[in-house]
Amino acid sequence: LAKTTQPISMDSYEGQEVNITCSHNNIATNDYITWYQQFPSQGPRFIIQGYKTKVTNEVASLFIPADRKSSTLSLPRVSLSDTAVYYCLVGTWGSSASKIIFGSGTRLSIRP
Amino acid sequence: GAVVSQHPSRVICKSGTSVKIECRSLDFQATTMFWYRQFPKKSLMLMATSNEGSKATYEQGVEKDKFLINHASLTLSTLTVTSAHPEDSSFYICSARGLQGRQETQYFGPGTRLLVL
Repeated sequence: LAKTTQPISMDSYEGQEVNITCSHNNIATNDYITWYQQFPSQGPRFIIQGYKTKVTNEVASLFIPADRKSSTLSLPRVSLSDTAVYYCLVGTWGSSASKIIFGSGTRLSIRP
Repeated sequence: GAVVSQHPSRVICKSGTSVKIECRSLDFQATTMFWYRQFPKKSLMLMATSNEGSKATYEQGVEKDKFLINHASLTLSTLTVTSAHPEDSSFYICSARGLQGRQETQYFGPGTRLLVL
């Protein structure tokens, strides 16, 4: 099981771009990288998932270097409502799916 | 994206009673579901993996006789906390694998807040 390491907390301001980096040195060949957002007393919400290079959707971008030992979640123009805990997870899916173990996550605080 | 529901969203019970929590995948079939618990300001801790039609696989330190898991169908898994005690009070979250576009990923339910008095 790949272990992930993220900063414990980050602060930013409304309208800024926020980049959260995650280290996963032991990522396996078949592992995908997935980021989740969690608000208090709610289940984690899927943000984005990728395998290599760059993935972009309507809420975020995910940058993965060639060695895949790290990844960066980029949130453009954050707002107060982006204050949450962000988890970086790695794992395989499908028939060879691995169980997903959560790390400590990054507590992001957005200020006005 | 896929939707996972949980019921109830919160429950208060007396010490010694049993509580059942349901987890449903609403628009997809899930052969594998997972149960997590989360304490305040802590990360999610995996309790067990629930496989449709077979016994659940429990993580080390999780009592299988206390946390009964049943995965009777491809859309439903249940977690029963038996003889609940105050230390079982926690936030319980289930998840299931489904498709996001063409990729499989893991979707989480909204969670169930359990308070044992």
